[in-house]
Amino acid sequence: AQSVSQHNHHVILSEAASLELGCNYSYGGTVNLFWYVQYPGQHLQLLLKYFSGDPLVKGIKGFEAEFIKSKFSFNLRKPSVQWSDTAEYFCAVLMGGTYKYIFGTGTRLKVLA
Amino acid sequence: DADVTQTPRNRITKTGKRIMLECSQTKGHDRMYWYRQDPGLGLRLIYYSFDVKDINKGEISDGYSVSRQAQAKFSLSLESAIPNQTALYFCATSHSSGTLSYNEQFFGPGTRLTVL
Repeated sequence: AQSVSQHNHHVILSEAASLELGCNYSYGGTVNLFWYVQYPGQHLQLLLKYFSGDPLVKGIKGFEAEFIKSKFSFNLRKPSVQWSDTAEYFCAVLMGGTYKYIFGTGTRLKVLA
Repeated sequence: DADVTQTPRNRITKTGKRIMLECSQTKGHDRMYWYRQDPGLGLRLIYYSFDVKDINKGEISDGYSVSRQAQAKFSLSLESAIPNQTALYFCATSHSSGTLSYNEQFFGPGTRLTVL
């Protein structure tokens, strides 16, 4: 079955540290890829998305992600995190032709001031 | 005003009770979804609907039913609630703009349901 894996369940960083969150999916066809963020007590909001073209996509708040097709990966990065980035991050994949989104289990990020 | 709203925001109920969660959207989207979120499990799809006459089961539909009363309204029902249905429930919408272009989902604020 198709799946999305986020290997880091909990990440703790100090402010100004660099961030990379992994996301891998299992599907050999066309995909659309998303990263969502859920701040404490809030709903999911889109950080960035990839449909086609340049595999390096930039999102809001200084986040970026790189689609590496050969590795079935879409890792999220930020050069310097802030305390306000404390949240849960979800990778999601829309597999072409299925019309359904599959979410990873999420990564809880805590940034220490 | 929020584009995707959910009512109620919090609900505590007892085992065996019937409960309905409602979702409304003003985005004009044709596709609507219901998810549940559990710690460590992420979001799992319960039901989805591509238009008023098209409703489909997701990966965990057992114990749930839905109704798409209008393009803007999509309700989730628990016919006989049980404690393991305690979770955070999210409604989401998306727009179909052709077969080659998919848009992101927009989420409501969530309903926290507790079944005692």
